[in-house]
Amino acid sequence: AQTVTQSQPEMSVQEAETVTLSCTYDTSESDYYLFWYKQPPSRQMILVIRQEAYKQQNATENRFSVNFQKAAKSFSLKISDSQLGDAAMYFCAYGTGANSKLTFGKGITLSVRP
Amino acid sequence: DAGVTQSPTHLIKTRGQQVTLRCSPKSGHDTVSWYQQALGQGPQFIFQYYEEEERQRGNFPDRFSGHQFPNYSSELNVNALLLGDSALYLCASSLGGPWGTGELFFGEGSRLTVL
Repeated sequence: AQTVTQSQPEMSVQEAETVTLSCTYDTSESDYYLFWYKQPPSRQMILVIRQEAYKQQNATENRFSVNFQKAAKSFSLKISDSQLGDAAMYFCAYGTGANSKLTFGKGITLSVRP
Repeated sequence: DAGVTQSPTHLIKTRGQQVTLRCSPKSGHDTVSWYQQALGQGPQFIFQYYEEEERQRGNFPDRFSGHQFPNYSSELNVNALLLGDSALYLCASSLGGPWGTGELFFGEGSRLTVL
């Protein structure tokens, strides 16, 4: 069974600085998708970034980028130039397809200090 | 363009009762997935509906059932409620069933409290 592990329950970052959120996963599949989702206090889950395992290039979306290490089964999210609006719960997730069943980690609460 | 809408937003039930939650997918989407999110935890996949059939199912008992209507909206039914069913129930919509390649869009959820 696939598992997703987020070992850091909380992190804090100063506004305008960079923070990295860690995630590891376990799978026997060779092709799959990895995701980072953001869940603000309003509760609606929003996709931050996704990575297809067959693509070697790390995904980037504006201030958000990932470090995908397939052999190590590691998928970390880097947030550059942190903003107050980045404060939220962040979930790492795995899926065998882009829209198939997703397995989520327990999440990490990110706070941003002004 | 309306996003994913869920109703009700909050509800309280007692043990043993039954509950129905509703979801309307984002315009243009034909696939609905349901997740259960316990307090302080990540969402857990319940099931996915596409073409009015359950296509994938997570590790949930038969007390959890669903339905998809011809207009792609969906219902989640939970029978014989237990205290442990208290959670935020999230609906997510997408296009093309389990094989779709687009983005999942989530609703704001229905908060169920079982007393």
